[in-house]
Amino acid sequence: EPEVTQTPSHQVTQMGQEVILRCVPISNHLYFYWYRQILGQKVEFLVSFYNNEISEKSEIFDDQFSVERPDGSNFTLKIRSTKLEDSAMYFCASSVSRAEYFGPGTRLTVT
Amino acid sequence: GEDVEQSLFLSVREGDSSVINCTYTDSSSTYLYWYKQEPGAGLQLLTYIFSNMDMKQDQRLTVLLNKKDKHLSLRIADTQTGDSAIYFCADVSNTGKLIFGQGTTLQVKP
Repeated sequence: EPEVTQTPSHQVTQMGQEVILRCVPISNHLYFYWYRQILGQKVEFLVSFYNNEISEKSEIFDDQFSVERPDGSNFTLKIRSTKLEDSAMYFCASSVSRAEYFGPGTRLTVT
Repeated sequence: GEDVEQSLFLSVREGDSSVINCTYTDSSSTYLYWYKQEPGAGLQLLTYIFSNMDMKQDQRLTVLLNKKDKHLSLRIADTQTGDSAIYFCADVSNTGKLIFGQGTTLQVKP
């Protein structure tokens, strides 16, 4: 069964460094999403992407964040200058219509 | 704004039924979802229900929707230890993003 994959599973970085989280969505899906879950908190929407552009972004998704679909299969989330409060699980999801399918997540730890 | 709320914890004995409840605020919801998260894993889509339905059954899972009260429930029949996980209710906004509840931890005792 096709699934969303994410790499790395765990990333440790120092405050101020740039990180790129990678996702490979399910191949025939058209809509792509990033969510995050800070420990002990709700899963929060960050951004949605369709037709090679951002369709919606949350207040969290400020100028430090960007997304890209560089080669038609990967979908990346870049954080330019990480802050301690960016430490969270980051989930990628994709959908073709009604249901969003999630990847296993990347745990980002900012020290 | 839109919000989704769930109780945080439920403990049942193996073989019993589990009922996990959820309330939401968005009266224009079209679909509502249940996801399961096992320790260290991602969010697995369990089932979803269209807002013009009252009930959906899928093997051991039954979803009930009371649109008037904005109440959604997930019933797991014959609960097994492998059902122990966190269960998330989610609403979809009119822009397509999911709005999650805080998750209900289901503990199944042998």
